[in-house]
Amino acid sequence: DAGVIQSPRHEVTEMGQEVTLRCKPISGHDYLFWYRQTMMRGLELLIYFNNNVPIDDSGMPEDRFSAKMPNASFSTLKIQPSEPRDSAVYFCASSRDQFETYGYTFGSGTRLTVV
Amino acid sequence: AQKVTQAQTEISVVEKEDVTLDCVYETRDTTYYLFWYKQPPSGELVFLIRRNSFDEQNEISGRYSWNFQKSTSSFNFTITASQVVDSAVYFCALSLQDQGAQKLVFGQGTRLTINP
Repeated sequence: DAGVIQSPRHEVTEMGQEVTLRCKPISGHDYLFWYRQTMMRGLELLIYFNNNVPIDDSGMPEDRFSAKMPNASFSTLKIQPSEPRDSAVYFCASSRDQFETYGYTFGSGTRLTVV
Repeated sequence: AQKVTQAQTEISVVEKEDVTLDCVYETRDTTYYLFWYKQPPSGELVFLIRRNSFDEQNEISGRYSWNFQKSTSSFNFTITASQVVDSAVYFCALSLQDQGAQKLVFGQGTRLTINP
């Protein structure tokens, strides 16, 4: 089991550029979550999917953020245009179902820096 | 409001000391889950434990133990005989049931430093 795989691990981009973060969940996990971690706000849920369908995107900060899950093995989080305040660590996590004994399995995160 | 409070922002102890990390939660749900995660300096989030609201038995796993008390809405974490490798940020989290998924609400974390 390779775990949840995120890419890239680090991303530095200039303000105004488009940024795409990628996530491959664990095979067989029906739920996929995107979290953002900042010093000021801690860990926040941005959006989650069930069987590739977005269920709750109420945590997405604004229209500049979008997330897709075209199939069960891949999800993207896109920021367009990026701003310095988007700098954070973005985590992807997956789980089987609501009775997941081990909670979520998190990826290693993508550290985004917008300059 | 449904939230998790970790009042201790930072804790620093000397190796081999016992240390307790506090977690207090608020929820209106009768069924819920509580979690602890560890975030070492490398940055990943590592699952430590899940406890459901109907199980108030204390849990022990090696040097780690957890004390869940519904009466005080607390789920505290104790490390016995701490080691330098225990240095990390520890997060307590509360699950919210939403359309079949567990949405996790995290506390702000406690940065634990174990000094040799």
